[in-house]
Amino acid sequence: DVKVTQSSRYLVKRTGEKVFLECVQDMDHENMFWYRQDPGLGLRLIYFSYDVKMKEKGDIPEGYSVSREKKERFSLILESASTNQTSMYLCASSPRTLTDTQYFGPGTRLTVL
Amino acid sequence: AQSVSQHNHHVILSEAASLELGCNYSYGGTVNLFWYVQYPGQHLQLLLKYFSGDPLVKGIKGFEAEFIKSKFSFNLRKPSVQWSDTAEYFCAVNARYSSASKIIFGSGTRLSIRP
Repeated sequence: DVKVTQSSRYLVKRTGEKVFLECVQDMDHENMFWYRQDPGLGLRLIYFSYDVKMKEKGDIPEGYSVSREKKERFSLILESASTNQTSMYLCASSPRTLTDTQYFGPGTRLTVL
Repeated sequence: AQSVSQHNHHVILSEAASLELGCNYSYGGTVNLFWYVQYPGQHLQLLLKYFSGDPLVKGIKGFEAEFIKSKFSFNLRKPSVQWSDTAEYFCAVNARYSSASKIIFGSGTRLSIRP
């Protein structure tokens, strides 16, 4: 089974802090994704990566950056957290073809005070 | 631009009732279609997907979906729901062969089943 793990299930940070969310997958997938999930809005793509050191902006990249130094790890960075970034963050991975099924991690619920 | 619409935000049914959740997408080209489910406290997981071939797709736990190209729809169905089907359901679409291929998710439908 594909396993996607996220470093924290719950995280509380203060406004202005730098926040790192880590995601690791164990299936040698080329593609990795970061989404945020908000009630009534579904999942919105923040960034994705189709290879090591490669990244592409999704639909809502503002206020976020990403890092992919190793194939199995994809990090989401909030340079200066704000209260409107309070959300559930989901990481996913998929094999080479972008049309393939995505496998999701358990999510990190981030609260910014 | 691609978009996905799920018109039912919250559906409440009794056990053994039949279920149909609507999903419409906008894209003129070839698409891949997915239904994902998120049970309370669990990961988002794939329920079923359509890539090509038979437009009636069968998934896990007795769910099925029908791709109707002329209606740009991919509705999810189950003939008899169970209490354990209580979850949030997301429709998603991916445009094949596009240069910026990525999956677009709908806003989700929360399904509550009364025992």
